[in-house]
Amino acid sequence: DAKTTQPPSMDCAEGRAANLPCNHSTISGNEYVYWYRQIHSQGPQYIIHGLKNNETNEMASLIITEDRKSSTLILPHATLRDTAVYYCIVRVANFGNEKLTFGTGTRLTIIP
Amino acid sequence: NAGVMQNPRHLVRRRGQEARLRCSPMKGHSHVYWYRQLPEEGLKFMVYLQKENIIDESGMPKERFSAEFPKEGPSILRIQQVVRGDSAAYFCASSPGAGNIQYFGAGTRLSVL
Repeated sequence: DAKTTQPPSMDCAEGRAANLPCNHSTISGNEYVYWYRQIHSQGPQYIIHGLKNNETNEMASLIITEDRKSSTLILPHATLRDTAVYYCIVRVANFGNEKLTFGTGTRLTIIP
Repeated sequence: NAGVMQNPRHLVRRRGQEARLRCSPMKGHSHVYWYRQLPEEGLKFMVYLQKENIIDESGMPKERFSAEFPKEGPSILRIQQVVRGDSAAYFCASSPGAGNIQYFGAGTRLSVL
């Protein structure tokens, strides 16, 4: 699976949009971009994923550049409960190759 | 619909004992994945199982670790003769099939004294 690069930490003011970048310059055409987060020491929580089109759900939006070499996760109105480590993962999902490769992620701190 | 259930949440073992970690996948999910998270590190894949079959165990240590997912009952991660270096959080995830989203449990925190 392709390697991802994320900033180690970011701050965001409560109520503002949090924009978390991820570089995946070696991504292959059949690899998806997934985002998970881990709040304190809880289990990772799935947020969103996409292949090449922008995606939106009730939690977040995912913007993938046209060349697919980078993406941005957007939390539109950050709350204190969004403080967590956010992981960007690229994954080719086919039978027998299901593992998620977690990097070090971005530690997002929401400031009151 | 209950999520992925792991038990126990906390497990304390002395060196040389055995640890058994259990994972019940979400209803309708037949694929289970185990990950380990050492202190201050990211999660590392250990093993991927489908009912009664190990599909990928490339992340499992060669000795003392084993996993199973029987036809009936939860998936079990077994660590024999634990050592202090086994102290970690062990997370289980499940999905309804290959290529699907993996949903994680709350984890089991193993402490080896």
